[in-house]
Amino acid sequence: DTQMTQSPSSLSASVGDRVTITCRASQSINTYLNWYHQQPGKAPKLLIYATSTLQRGVPSRFSGRPSGTDFTLTISSLQPEDFGVYYCQQSHTAPWTFGQGTRVDIK
Amino acid sequence: QVQLQESGPGLVKPSETLSLTCTVSGDSITGYHWSWVRQPPGGGLEWIGYIYYNGVTNYNPSLKSRLTISVDLSKNQFSLKLGSVTAADTADYYCARDRRGANYFYGMDVWGQGTTVTVSS
Repeated sequence: DTQMTQSPSSLSASVGDRVTITCRASQSINTYLNWYHQQPGKAPKLLIYATSTLQRGVPSRFSGRPSGTDFTLTISSLQPEDFGVYYCQQSHTAPWTFGQGTRVDIK
Repeated sequence: QVQLQESGPGLVKPSETLSLTCTVSGDSITGYHWSWVRQPPGGGLEWIGYIYYNGVTNYNPSLKSRLTISVDLSKNQFSLKLGSVTAADTADYYCARDRRGANYFYGMDVWGQGTTVTVSS
């Protein structure tokens, strides 16, 4: 299975801050990397697919890009509704696998 | 717009079979892949498997020996059966639409609200 490793595991940031989360795959996944946001008690929500394509309706403050062998999710200006856990997921080779999650708290 | 709703027992006894159904509304189940994902209490996300509307499946090898996913086109539903459950199968279970493009998959874009299943005697 392809192992996905996220960093950091958690972070605390202020409204308006720029936040970056990194995801690394244990083997090549091309650009088949997706990002989700999950708020407490809710289902995950797809933010970005295929590394950098914004899902319809997702605010433009979210962006994704490759970074060498890693992938990054950036929130350009953190908003209060952005708290929760962010997961990366590879859809290159089944079984699909997720990162362990990055918890984002609002200071 | 398309909506998914999971249903099934919230409590299952150890060694028995966990059975859940996902009802798709607002669109036809035809033409898409449909996945199940679970999340243990306080834990991360685990993909269980998917089914294409024509019945073709792909299961997580870690669960394959106990798992059956099926589809009912007439009811616009797909279902999950997981046998010989233990406490480790206690989790929130989600159904989701798994988008496929020409060659690859592009994420799960529609999710049910999830249902909590507890395995306990």
